[in-house]
Amino acid sequence: DAGVIQSPRHEVTEMGQEVTLRCKPISGHDYLFWYRQTMMQGLELLVYFNNKAVMDDSGMPKDRFSAKMPNASFSTLKIQPSEPRDSAVYFCASRIGTVGISNQPQHFGDGTRLSIL
Amino acid sequence: EDKVVQSPLSLVVHEGDTVTLNCSYEVTNFRSLLWYKQEKKAPTFLFMLTSSGIEKKSGRLSSILDKKELFSILNITATQTGDSAVYLCAVASGFQKLVFGTGTRLLVSP
Repeated sequence: DAGVIQSPRHEVTEMGQEVTLRCKPISGHDYLFWYRQTMMQGLELLVYFNNKAVMDDSGMPKDRFSAKMPNASFSTLKIQPSEPRDSAVYFCASRIGTVGISNQPQHFGDGTRLSIL
Repeated sequence: EDKVVQSPLSLVVHEGDTVTLNCSYEVTNFRSLLWYKQEKKAPTFLFMLTSSGIEKKSGRLSSILDKKELFSILNITATQTGDSAVYLCAVASGFQKLVFGTGTRLLVSP
């Protein structure tokens, strides 16, 4: 089975540029999560979707970040304008949400390492 | 505010040693506790615990949860160099949100 697929693997760009991160969840998974990992803060949840709808984006700085899930197999996280403090590894994770199977783990992609100069 | 604290922050052991990693938590609406192993890339799932006192095992790894004292431990026996990684503890708070600790960095030297 293919796991969660993220692209690009690495992104280096200058401050002020727009950055788009992409994620393809595991087929059949109803939930999709975007996390940011830094040395100081660890893994922080930015936003998550259930059946393509945003369920909670309280962890996401909404002035510059936006997340979309136009279909069940694709999501984007966009940063505009980017700032050096956005430098981190961004992970996407997905989870099955079948009714009756309430406790299932999240499965993570390999992440996108983002550097804003 | 929900909080997950792991200890120690880092650990260096020799191959063959046994290690115990700790995770304590304070969350509202606890549903489950999860352990992940992170090497260079994606965190990979190890265990999910929902009930106190029931030990989960997978080879040389085992974990147990104490919901009264709000902590979990992850044991690794007969450590190998391939066990070197960051071990992450996370608690499911509410239906879907995971709150992660900052991890324990384990280095197993030959």
